[in-house]
Amino acid sequence: ETGVTQSPTHLIKTRGQQVTLRCSSQSGHNTVSWYQQALGQGPQFIFQYYREEENGRGNFPPRFSGLQFPNYSSELNVNALELDDSALYLCASSLAGVYEQYFGPGTRLTVT
Amino acid sequence: AQSVTQLDSHVSVSEGTPVLLRCNYSSSYSPSLFWYVQHPNKGLQLLLKYTSAATLVKGINGFEAEFKKSETSFHLTKPSAHMSDAAEYFCVVRGMNYGGSQGNLIFGKGTKLSVKP
Repeated sequence: ETGVTQSPTHLIKTRGQQVTLRCSSQSGHNTVSWYQQALGQGPQFIFQYYREEENGRGNFPPRFSGLQFPNYSSELNVNALELDDSALYLCASSLAGVYEQYFGPGTRLTVT
Repeated sequence: AQSVTQLDSHVSVSEGTPVLLRCNYSSSYSPSLFWYVQHPNKGLQLLLKYTSAATLVKGINGFEAEFKKSETSFHLTKPSAHMSDAAEYFCVVRGMNYGGSQGNLIFGKGTKLSVKP
């Protein structure tokens, strides 16, 4: 059974640019959630995708957007990058009817 | 609204001594609670979960937690610390359920556990 994978591992972008982060969910999981973890903080919920639709969103602006594909993989897109977007971005997948979420290793984004 | 408060930002123990990481929760309904561990430069690993079954929950690596509704607590314990337990620990409560999805997770600020030889 393959766990949650994310790409790339690290990324450096300039303020104002756009970035796309990718996540492959664990086999059979149909729900993908994205979290932002700033340095020294706990992860914060960005949004969740279920059956290819956004299904729940945290306190993040519209420049954070996403997609879920028929194979349940997902993308997180961030437009007009700001310095404060520098963080570890975590993807988590889960199975309908089961509460726990399984996390990938994360993508470390640095905005300069 | 759901929230969790981790009462200690840093706990330091000696190898072989007990570990206690404290967490209080707030929830408008019967909560689902979790403890996750994050080793340096690694993702989050689920240690254990409480979902309204037994109040004493056993997890991986010898950790356990007890759900106490009267105290709104979900403290994490381990009888004997090992050097490999040094990591950041997060107490987590499940948020609202949207449609048929699983709901988001709401994390505490974390407790850094240091283990001295």
